[in-house]
Amino acid sequence: AQTIHQWPVAEIKAVGSPLSLGCTIKGKSSPNLYWYWQATGGTLQQLFYSITVGQVESVVQLNLSASRPKDDQFILSTEKLLLSHSGFYLCAWSRDWGEETLYFGSGTRLTVL
Amino acid sequence: QQQVRQSSQSLTVWEGETAILNCSYENSAFDYFPWYQQFPGEGPALLIAIRSVSDKKEDGRFTIFFNKREKNLSLHIKDSQPGDSATYFCAASVSGGSNAKLTFGKGTKLSVKS
Repeated sequence: AQTIHQWPVAEIKAVGSPLSLGCTIKGKSSPNLYWYWQATGGTLQQLFYSITVGQVESVVQLNLSASRPKDDQFILSTEKLLLSHSGFYLCAWSRDWGEETLYFGSGTRLTVL
Repeated sequence: QQQVRQSSQSLTVWEGETAILNCSYENSAFDYFPWYQQFPGEGPALLIAIRSVSDKKEDGRFTIFFNKREKNLSLHIKDSQPGDSATYFCAASVSGGSNAKLTFGKGTKLSVKS
């Protein structure tokens, strides 16, 4: 069975500080990986997707970056946090090319003060 | 422009009633429509999905009714239970391509009272 683990569970950070969030997928080789952002009580916005190691596509510009250093790992980061970065960050994976079903992790709650 | 619209931000029903959650969309190219269920503090989970070639999909107490001509769909939750209290997201995508780019609605928060 596949499992997805996100870390940390929650973060409280100061404006202007750096950030690194991660997720790891176990039990599935070469998954498609995604980062989503959800404002409190809001909809889900896709930020990045990756279909292979070292290749990441940006969907929206939010002063964030993503990397895929290993087949099973996806990292979201920024050098300088903004207040608007607060929210719920979700990592997700899908099985194959064009497979629409997304499997989400349990998310990271980020509060920027 | 909101491509996927859920008509209610919140909905309250009594235990045992049928909850009906409505969704409409703009893009005629959308052909895959999943509903995701999210509990507080958790990631969303796929509940049920339908493709545009069908007009109905049933899975236990959950049924999707789909109207391609009107570009709308609804999720019916029969015999609602307090454990169904969650936020439900309607989503849509165009099949094919490497990016499973689902467009999500804003969600409907369902409360089931006992």
